[in-house]
Amino acid sequence: EVQLVESGGGLIPVGGSLRLSCAASGFTFSSRGMSWARQAPGKGLEWVSSISGSGTTTAYADSAKGRFTISRDNSKSTVYLQMDSLRVEDTALYYCARGDCPGDCYLTDYWGQGILVTVSS
Amino acid sequence: DIQMTQSPSTLSASVGDRVTITCRASRNIGTSLAWFQQKPGKAPKLLMHTRSTLVNGDPSRFSGSGSGTEFTLTISNLQPDDFATYYCQQYSSSSRTFGQGTKVEIK
Repeated sequence: EVQLVESGGGLIPVGGSLRLSCAASGFTFSSRGMSWARQAPGKGLEWVSSISGSGTTTAYADSAKGRFTISRDNSKSTVYLQMDSLRVEDTALYYCARGDCPGDCYLTDYWGQGILVTVSS
Repeated sequence: DIQMTQSPSTLSASVGDRVTITCRASRNIGTSLAWFQQKPGKAPKLLMHTRSTLVNGDPSRFSGSGSGTEFTLTISNLQPDDFATYYCQQYSSSSRTFGQGTKVEIK
């Protein structure tokens, strides 16, 4: 059974940094791209960043470029999202999601339960 | 970026009804369209991809159609478990954008 468990969220002041982690199990982690998406309170879904299975290819939404960094450790079956220079508008539930391919997958097929990040002014 | 627009935003229906949700893309995305279902407090669940391919285990009362810029998700014989918010997502371009969601609520 595919499981994705996010951690590392919390309350952080504007301008601060946070690193989210997503521990994966139930599949061959290195053979799948992974993504982060987010959902602001009461709002819709927004893709944030993706990384290929090998870790060599990354992609970011415009809202994340230059501030967020995605990475992965295939030996730990974990994907990370380093978030710097946080803004109030980054407040959201952050989801880890599995891609449907080994590369930078545009489609995801399993999502974790999410972790809340609250940026306070 | 490709914009995705869903309608309606909210849909009130009864058990047993047939309901249709529309998703429009700002430019041609072929059949690279997925539908997600999200229940309150839960993670989104992939329901369908490539316009109309159901994910394993999803009931056949869900069907998808369309291509290019206009797509529909139809739920036949609405069941209590189907009351949720549905999102379309294009995966034709790297922006991989979602629609704003359609909430299917009990009438």
